[in-house]
Amino acid sequence: AQSVSQHNHHVILSEAASLELGCNYSYGGTVNLFWYVQYPGQHLQLLLKYFSGDPLVKGIKGFEAEFIKSKFSFNLRKPSVQWSDTAEYFCAVNVQGNMLTFGGGTRLMVKP
Amino acid sequence: KAGVTQTPRYLIKTRGQQVTLSCSPISGHRSVSWYQQTPGQGLQFLFEYFSETQRNKGNFPGRFSGRQFSNSRSEMNVSTLELGDSALYLCASSWTANNEQFFGPGTRLTVL
Repeated sequence: AQSVSQHNHHVILSEAASLELGCNYSYGGTVNLFWYVQYPGQHLQLLLKYFSGDPLVKGIKGFEAEFIKSKFSFNLRKPSVQWSDTAEYFCAVNVQGNMLTFGGGTRLMVKP
Repeated sequence: KAGVTQTPRYLIKTRGQQVTLSCSPISGHRSVSWYQQTPGQGLQFLFEYFSETQRNKGNFPGRFSGRQFSNSRSEMNVSTLELGDSALYLCASSWTANNEQFFGPGTRLTVL
């Protein structure tokens, strides 16, 4: 069975700092990859997705992620974070149907 | 376009009881998936329905069941509730398989 690992459980940054959240998955076949965000008191929202093609994908709110197949990684990046980016971020893998396997999540706190 | 809606938003039950949660997908979406979110286990896939058929099932006991109606609305049922079933139950819908999923706000179930 596939699994997803997010190495950073808690991250604290100051505004304008750069962000990189790690995500690694274990599955040898074709995967679809996602990053979801859960803002305080809100439901899960899709940040970005990778199905195929250009391994560098851009999402909403200035986020981007790079799929590196050889490393089984799909790291999330943002050049300059804002206080409003404070949230929990989830990496997820879809191997078949719509059965998402999620990582444990990373709680990001951005200090103003 | 209205998002995914879930009812009720909050439930309090006692051990041994059963509960039914409801999910209305985004109009036109035919796939509905259910997830359980807990602080200890994170987000875990329960099952997926597509065109009234269960297409995938996660690693949960048989006390967890679901169904989908012809209008794509879905219900999940948990029988003989246990304390460990306390969680946020999330519903997600999508057009079809291997596609991005849109999440609802969840139903917060507390088992006493």
